[in-house]
Amino acid sequence: GAGVSQSPRYKVTKRGQDVALRCDPISGHVSLYWYRQALGQGPEFLTYFNYEAQQDKSGLPNDRFSAERPEGSISTLTIQRTEQRDSAMYRCASSLKGGGTGELFFGEGSRLTVL
Amino acid sequence: AQTVTQSQPEMSVQEAETVTLSCTYDTSESNYYLFWYKQPPSRQMILVIRQEAYKQQNATENRFSVNFQKAAKSFSLKISDSQLGDTAMYFCAFAGGAGGTSYGKLTFGQGTILTVHP
Repeated sequence: GAGVSQSPRYKVTKRGQDVALRCDPISGHVSLYWYRQALGQGPEFLTYFNYEAQQDKSGLPNDRFSAERPEGSISTLTIQRTEQRDSAMYRCASSLKGGGTGELFFGEGSRLTVL
Repeated sequence: AQTVTQSQPEMSVQEAETVTLSCTYDTSESNYYLFWYKQPPSRQMILVIRQEAYKQQNATENRFSVNFQKAAKSFSLKISDSQLGDTAMYFCAFAGGAGGTSYGKLTFGQGTILTVHP
């Protein structure tokens, strides 16, 4: 597609429920990144993929968070047993190659609210 | 670990004037990139300008320029001829890593809210 597409744009869920956030990167982009942004803060790195391989998951807060990119294109970030502290904007970004220019193209984000 | 510090939570400027946003960072790496991103009220993340650490020349993009002081680990953004559309949150960000494999793994500062007044 023309840009990075994320869905859903808004998600409200109850504490304890699982949520899945989807990212469709720019066509042909090798690297895909997930970030989390709390209100009034800068984004924080969660994890990234080159093709289908998860290269770094050091930013995932705990084992309730997981991500996959099985065919090297669309990625899903899953949060199990959500907690109120998980409420944030979750942003996906893609780049042509992780070791290239370093420029990321961000999606518009998925805003998660956990009640 | 890298850290990025933006010490100005908020700034304001009159339309057509010049404003400078400050950013300092800390790293032990020699190869890295620095970025300024703009986040308008729409909450998009838009790349404003990028600087490669091995380049001594300061990057410029139209009305936007940087003052990169590598020894001081300082990376400020100057916006000339400010426009109302420049009103946004501005984030300074750092990316670096061995072999270039982590150049998309950004560390962001806390952000500076810039308001341009008519």
